[in-house]
Amino acid sequence: DQQVKQNSPSLSVQEGRISILNCDYTNSMFDYFLWYKKYPAEGPTFLISISSIKDKNEDGRFTVFLNKSAKHLSLHIVPSQPGDSAVYFCAASGYSSASKIIFGSGTRLSIRP
Amino acid sequence: DGGITQSPKYLFRKEGQNVTLSCEQNLNHDAMYWYRQDPGQGLRLIYYSQIVNDFQKGDIAEGYSVSREKKESFPLTVTSAQKNPTAFYLCASTASGQETQYFGPGTRLLVL
Repeated sequence: DQQVKQNSPSLSVQEGRISILNCDYTNSMFDYFLWYKKYPAEGPTFLISISSIKDKNEDGRFTVFLNKSAKHLSLHIVPSQPGDSAVYFCAASGYSSASKIIFGSGTRLSIRP
Repeated sequence: DGGITQSPKYLFRKEGQNVTLSCEQNLNHDAMYWYRQDPGQGLRLIYYSQIVNDFQKGDIAEGYSVSREKKESFPLTVTSAQKNPTAFYLCASTASGQETQYFGPGTRLLVL
């Protein structure tokens, strides 16, 4: 039973345009959400997070939106750059999870020239 | 430089052999985690430890063992009971009261 779902395994976006990565979750106890970026054969690096008390968090080119009623979050990257090509993992944690983070299966983003 | 180190980068295991993956952090983080990543899949939690001398099973602990004798170190042993050990193993840590986990560079385990 996947509690965090990333339904798009891959996404291709033209350089300079907006990349939108989506994530759905099922556990209403989750109250903190994170996005990680991962290059091949490397560990994931933390990108941006959002608490459930907010609906938007912005950091430079990256913005995360949270829709609690729909149990949906999205990561917007604008403008997209070649270095953004990577796998992006959505993750969630909650008070009841004893500090465990549940990861989605990832979306591979490719930025084409 | 503060961070998390994992060694070796590549590890080969023979049938019936136990192998140990190293994870060290100098971030003074209390909690440490081991994940496994298989192609096309997300990260799955193997074991985690929130404090020295204590650890809990994650979602896929069978065939693995850990120890947490020091705050800085959280080695993972892949035992011969783990029938499908080929994967990319990631160690992570987090500070007390924080949610964000920071990851090491990973160890790729291959079976000969």
